[in-house]
Amino acid sequence: AQSVSQHNHHVILSEAASLELGCNYSYGGTVNLFWYVQYPGQHLQLLLKYFSGDPLVKGIKGFEAEFIKSKFSFNLRKPSVQWSDTAEYFCAVGSASKIIFGSGTRLSIRP
Amino acid sequence: DAMVIQNPRYQVTQFGKPVTLSCSQTLNHNVMYWYQQKSSQAPKLLFHYYDKDFNNEADTPDNFQSRRPNTSFCFLDIRSPGLGDAAMYLCATSSVTGSQETQYFGPGTRLLVL
Repeated sequence: AQSVSQHNHHVILSEAASLELGCNYSYGGTVNLFWYVQYPGQHLQLLLKYFSGDPLVKGIKGFEAEFIKSKFSFNLRKPSVQWSDTAEYFCAVGSASKIIFGSGTRLSIRP
Repeated sequence: DAMVIQNPRYQVTQFGKPVTLSCSQTLNHNVMYWYQQKSSQAPKLLFHYYDKDFNNEADTPDNFQSRRPNTSFCFLDIRSPGLGDAAMYLCATSSVTGSQETQYFGPGTRLLVL
């Protein structure tokens, strides 16, 4: 069965710090990988996605993620965070019209 | 421009009183989903429609039903809401191309059960 693990439940950073949020998945077949962001009081928005090809994926707002097949990982990164990045971040794995979400990582940025 | 629209944004109902949440899309996507999201938790898939084919998740309570009268609209019916059904309900759509699929979410309807 598919599963997604986000090990960091709450991350607190200062502005301009670098960010890396971990995501590991369990699935034997071809998967689609996603990061979604949910800003306070807002709906889920797609940050980036990986289907195939270059394992380094660039998304919106300066975020990127790297698919490492051997590690079953799809970690999210940003070199310099801003206060406006405060949000909940969800990693998700999809296949066959079904997406499984991780439990989410809450990111808090100190001004 | 809104692509996935959910109405109402907030819904208050009484314990046991049936309630219907609606979702519409302007993307002409063939797949529509309903998720339940409780506070500080990941969205949980309730069911989805692939065109007219209904797919229920095994652990979705019978209390939850869905209708999709046409491509653009999908409804979530909660026949007898309990206090535990208070949550954010998210609608999503996607267009499946081969093995590639991206889901786009609506703003959600927050349900309060009194």
